[in-house]
Amino acid sequence: NAGVTQTPKFRILKIGQSMTLQCTQDMNHNYMYWYRQDPGMGLKLIYYSVGAGITDKGEVPNGYNVSRSTTEDFPLRLELAAPSQTSVYFCASSLGQLHPEKLFFGSGTQLSVL
Amino acid sequence: AQSVAQPEDQVNVAEGNPLTVKCTYSVSGNPYLFWYVQYPNRGLQFLLKYITGDNLVKGSYGFEAEFNKSQTSFHLKKPSALVSDSALYFCAVRDAYSGAGSYQLTFGKGTKLSVIP
Repeated sequence: NAGVTQTPKFRILKIGQSMTLQCTQDMNHNYMYWYRQDPGMGLKLIYYSVGAGITDKGEVPNGYNVSRSTTEDFPLRLELAAPSQTSVYFCASSLGQLHPEKLFFGSGTQLSVL
Repeated sequence: AQSVAQPEDQVNVAEGNPLTVKCTYSVSGNPYLFWYVQYPNRGLQFLLKYITGDNLVKGSYGFEAEFNKSQTSFHLKKPSALVSDSALYFCAVRDAYSGAGSYQLTFGKGTKLSVIP
């Protein structure tokens, strides 16, 4: 059971470049989330989804976009990378309304924008 | 608004000694409280949660946490620390009365626990 899988693990971008962070889960979870983790800070929610075709903004959505065409996949898109987006990004999933807060996390993507 | 504070950036404890990692919270209603652990180069892992009921909650790997409503605290504890417990620990909170569709946990900034052999 792979759980939540994120790719790539590391990436360096130049300012203005675009990229997509991939996230897939094999636990048939309805809820999926993207967080960013900055040094010395807690996790900040970027976007979340409660099911295929449904997404909503979290606390820090600016500069990002998401889509949820299937239950398994929840990619995060950075259109015009900025240095402020240098961070570690975590994808997570959860069962649903009975257990919305027991999150299962991927191993993260470390992104540097130079 | 909801918030959580972890007052210690780092906690050092000798192997075999009891450990405590502190967390205080603020919510407008009743809290749902959580602890997660992050090992190096890994994602966060769920340890335990408090929803309602007994103030002492037991979780994974021998950890427990005590909910104290009057002090708005949810400290993580373990009777005897192991070197393998060394990791980053995050406290998180959500207001139990958040509306439908509100799934935002608020995380603390984390506390690095170092268990010294």
